[in-house]
Amino acid sequence: EPEVTQTPSHQVTQMGQEVILRCVPISNHLYFYWYRQILGQKVEFLVSFYNNEISEKSEIFDDQFSVERPDGSNFTLKIRSTKLEDSAMYFCASSIWGNTEAFFGQGTRLTVV
Amino acid sequence: GQNIDQPTEMTATEGAIVQINCTYQTSGFNGLFWYQQHAGEAPTFLSYNVLDGLEEKGRFSSFLSRSKGYSYLLLKELQMKDSASYLCAVRGDNTNAGKSTFGDGTTLTVKP
Repeated sequence: EPEVTQTPSHQVTQMGQEVILRCVPISNHLYFYWYRQILGQKVEFLVSFYNNEISEKSEIFDDQFSVERPDGSNFTLKIRSTKLEDSAMYFCASSIWGNTEAFFGQGTRLTVV
Repeated sequence: GQNIDQPTEMTATEGAIVQINCTYQTSGFNGLFWYQQHAGEAPTFLSYNVLDGLEEKGRFSSFLSRSKGYSYLLLKELQMKDSASYLCAVRGDNTNAGKSTFGDGTTLTVKP
């Protein structure tokens, strides 16, 4: 069964460093998303991406964040200068269309120290 | 803005039926989703409602009333493995951007 894959599963980084989280969405899906979940809290929307551009973003997704689809399969989230409060589980998701269910990857646990 | 309310915790007995409620106030409506999330894992899709009524899928059913801003997830013949967090998520915008707003989740504990 097709699935969304994310790498790495766990990343530890020092405050102020740049990190890139990688995702391979399901191949026939057109919409891609990043969500985050701080430990013990709810899943929060960061950004949606369609047709090679951001279609919507939340207040969390400030200038420190960027997304890219560098090739036909990968979808990346970059955090330019990490802060302690960026520590969270980051989930990539994809859906066939914008109004269909999203399938989530297993997540990347980011720890900023 | 978007506001989604679900009970924080519920407990039920193996083999029983449990109903998890979700109420929402959103600007626009473009579908409601239920996800299951085991601790430390990703949310997995359970059901989708965009029109009023009941959607049944094996042991799981989901109901939606758009006029009341209300949904529930019904789990039948509970099994121990159903112990998890159940997330209600709403697409509140009348766009196809795909953004979903999640509730805090309901932690269900199934006891023998």
